[in-house]
Amino acid sequence: DAKTTQPPSMDCAEGRAANLPCNHSTISGNEYVYWYRQIHSQGPQYIIHGLKNNETNEMASLIITEDRKSSTLILPHATLRDTAVYYCIVSAGGGNTGKLIFGQGTTLQVKP
Amino acid sequence: GAGVSQSPSNKVTEKGKDVELRCDPISGHTALYWYRQSLGQGLEFLIYFQGNSAPDKSGLPSDRFSAERTGGSVSTLTIQRTQQEDSAVYLCASSLPGRLGGYTFGSGTRLTVV
Repeated sequence: DAKTTQPPSMDCAEGRAANLPCNHSTISGNEYVYWYRQIHSQGPQYIIHGLKNNETNEMASLIITEDRKSSTLILPHATLRDTAVYYCIVSAGGGNTGKLIFGQGTTLQVKP
Repeated sequence: GAGVSQSPSNKVTEKGKDVELRCDPISGHTALYWYRQSLGQGLEFLIYFQGNSAPDKSGLPSDRFSAERTGGSVSTLTIQRTQQEDSAVYLCASSLPGRLGGYTFGSGTRLTVV
């Protein structure tokens, strides 16, 4: 699975959009981009995933560049409860291909 | 059930004792994964099940660790002769074939070896 690079930490003001970047320059054509987050003392929570097209759900939007070498997770109106570690993971999908490898992620601190 | 259930939620054991950690995946999720997370660290993959078989055991740290899954459902992670370095939160996740929609994680078992 391709490796990802994320900034170790970011701050965001409450009510503003949080834009979390992820670089995955070695991504393969069959690999998806997944985003998870982990709020303190809880198990990771799935947020969103995508292959080529931008995706949006009730939690967030995922913007993937045309060359697929980077992506951005957007939380449109961050709240204090969005303070968490956010993980960007690249892995092949479409079959039972096994584990997701979690890196160190980005610690997002939402401030009042 | 509605989510992935893990038990116990907390376990304190003496060094050298064996422990069993249980995971009940979401009904219909054929893939099941065990991870562990030491204090302040990232998630470390342990083992992956597809049905009752484990095609990837590459993350098990030693032969003191083993896991099984029966009936394509419940999984048990067993740690024999526990050591202090085994202290961590052990997380279980399950997913549909192809991981459509991603994994769903349980709340974990916090293991403390004293």
